[in-house]
This record gives sequence, structure tokens and C-alpha cells, in this order.
Amino acid sequence: AQSVTQLDSQVPVFEEAPVELRCNYSSSVSVYLFWYVQYPNQGLQLLLKYLSGSTLVKGINGFEAEFNKSQTSFHLRKPSVHISDTAEYFCAVSDQNTGGFKTIFGAGTRLFVKA
Amino acid sequence: DGGITQSPKYLFRKEGQNVTLSCEQNLNHDAMYWYRQDPGQGLRLIYYSQIVNDFQKGDIAEGYSVSREKKESFPLTVTSAQKNPTAFYLCASSIALVSPYEQFFGPGTRLTVL
Repeated sequence: AQSVTQLDSQVPVFEEAPVELRCNYSSSVSVYLFWYVQYPNQGLQLLLKYLSGSTLVKGINGFEAEFNKSQTSFHLRKPSVHISDTAEYFCAVSDQNTGGFKTIFGAGTRLFVKA
Repeated sequence: DGGITQSPKYLFRKEGQNVTLSCEQNLNHDAMYWYRQDPGQGLRLIYYSQIVNDFQKGDIAEGYSVSREKKESFPLTVTSAQKNPTAFYLCASSIALVSPYEQFFGPGTRLTVL
């Protein structure tokens, strides 16, 4: 069975500092990986996704993530954050081989950017 | 603009009442989903639908019901059997049920039981 673990429930960071939000997954088959962002009282919006190919994936708003198969990780990074990046971030995984539709979401990491 | 709309944004319910949350999409997506979000628990799947007139239970379907009479609409009813319905409810859709398609989300409905 798949599972997703977001290692930090909250990450405070100063504006213009770099940030990394950590995500580990477990699955017995190959997976597709996603990061979504949720601003307060809104739905989720896709930041980026890994389907295949290059392990470094670039997304919107200057975010990128690196797929590491050996460590079963998909950490999200941004070199310089802005106040407007304050939001909750969700890592998600769905499996490939079984044609599985089910997407499993992590518990979320709340990023708080301070001035 | 294509997207997903949910209504109402806020909903208050007395104990023992059924309420229906609306979800409409104009993305021409086949698959639709309902999630429940509670603080610190991520998203939990309530029901999903692959096609009109077909839907399946997710992980926490007890106390909820859905219908899919039209491709663009997937309403969720929270029944009085749901023991703890206060939560944020999110509707989503995707091109098809099978991966790798990402899901598109509506703005959510916050349900509070008084």
C-alpha cells in the first residue's frame, strides 16, 4: 500500500531565505508524484508533478522538486521565498503499474514566511 | 474560464439535518472526487466517480451520499448519520480516473454543525 509522509508539519522561514519541504513516500510499484499548494480557505492548486524523465522538476512560482528513487523522496525547494508563499503544501502520490487512480495525500506542511 | 465551483462557501447545519454541497465543473472531465479535510490530517477521499451514473465509496464514505446524473455535476449529501461532519469539503476533477492525471480542485465548502 502507498503512503506519504511529510516530515515537517510547520516550517517558519524568513523572507528571501531558501526553503525545503520534505516528502517521503512508500510504494511497491513505480509512482507519479505531485506537490499542491493551498492558500487559506481555498482549494488546492498544482505546483508541479513528476511523471517520468528528469528527476528535477520545475513548477510554478519558482518552486522545484527532486525525485530520488533510492531514498523514496520528493522534496520541494525554493531558493528565495516571499511573504506570498505562506500557505499549506501537500505532497501526493499515485501508483503507475496498476492503473491506479487513487491519489494519496500527505498531511501537509504549513509554510510561514516572516518579514 | 474553465474550473470547478462549489457552493455554498460556508454552511451551517443543525444536528440531525441532511445538507447537500454542490460541485460543478466545466472542464469536461470524466472523473470527479469529494474529499474531507481536517486540520493536520491531509485529504481523505469520501466518494469518487469515473463516469455519469457511476460512483464508488472512498475511505470514509459512511454518513455521506452522492449522485452523478450529469457529467458536470457531483453533489455530496452529508446525512445525519455522519457523526462528526464539521470539516472543510473539497471537490475535485481530473481528465480520467487513472493516473497520471492531476486533480483540479474547487474552492471548498466549510461545514459547521451547530
